[in-house]
Amino acid sequence: KAGVTQTPRYLIKTRGQQVTLSCSPISGHRSVSWYQQTPGQGLQFLFEYFSETQRNKGNFPGRFSGRQFSNSRSEMNVSTLELGDSALYLCASSLGAGAAYEQYFGPGTRLTVT
Amino acid sequence: KNEVEQSPQNLTAQEGEFITINCSYSVGISALHWLQQHPGGGIVSLFMLSSGKKKHGRLIATINIQEKHSSLHITASHPRDSAVYICAVRLRWEVNNDMRFGAGTRLTVKP
Repeated sequence: KAGVTQTPRYLIKTRGQQVTLSCSPISGHRSVSWYQQTPGQGLQFLFEYFSETQRNKGNFPGRFSGRQFSNSRSEMNVSTLELGDSALYLCASSLGAGAAYEQYFGPGTRLTVT
Repeated sequence: KNEVEQSPQNLTAQEGEFITINCSYSVGISALHWLQQHPGGGIVSLFMLSSGKKKHGRLIATINIQEKHSSLHITASHPRDSAVYICAVRLRWEVNNDMRFGAGTRLTVKP
């Protein structure tokens, strides 16, 4: 089975712009979670989707949003980019949502905001 | 104080040594994960624990729910084990069920 894929792998944007990142889960996986990793804050949970519904959301401003499609692919969007949004954005997929399921991580999208 | 604390932050070992990385948490959890991150960013899930002990090859993970503590052990360490090891917890449903992460332990194994 193919692993979790994320596109694009690298992205450079300017302050004020918006960006959309994409995540394709492992075939058969119905849950996708998104995480932000920065040198200062480490890994932080953004949101979790299962069957097109957002189940959980981390402590991030409303500029961060996401969605999941019927084929389980997910996108996250960041509007009005700030310099502090520069980070590695990781998605992870699992068969189901919640504690009982192991997560499989994608390679990440490295976003640089200038 | 962070909800998930790892120690040590950095660890250097000689090939063949036995390694222990510790994780303590202060919140109610439904599961604990140990993750491995290599340079370049890719993350691999090593273990998911809710009780007891698990073993995969040279890696052993234990959790003590009463003491809110988990350990990751690497036996016969090898340079390819060099990576950042991250402890993550899934909060219980009655809290908010999201994930919280430790700051990571950077392990370097020298040949």
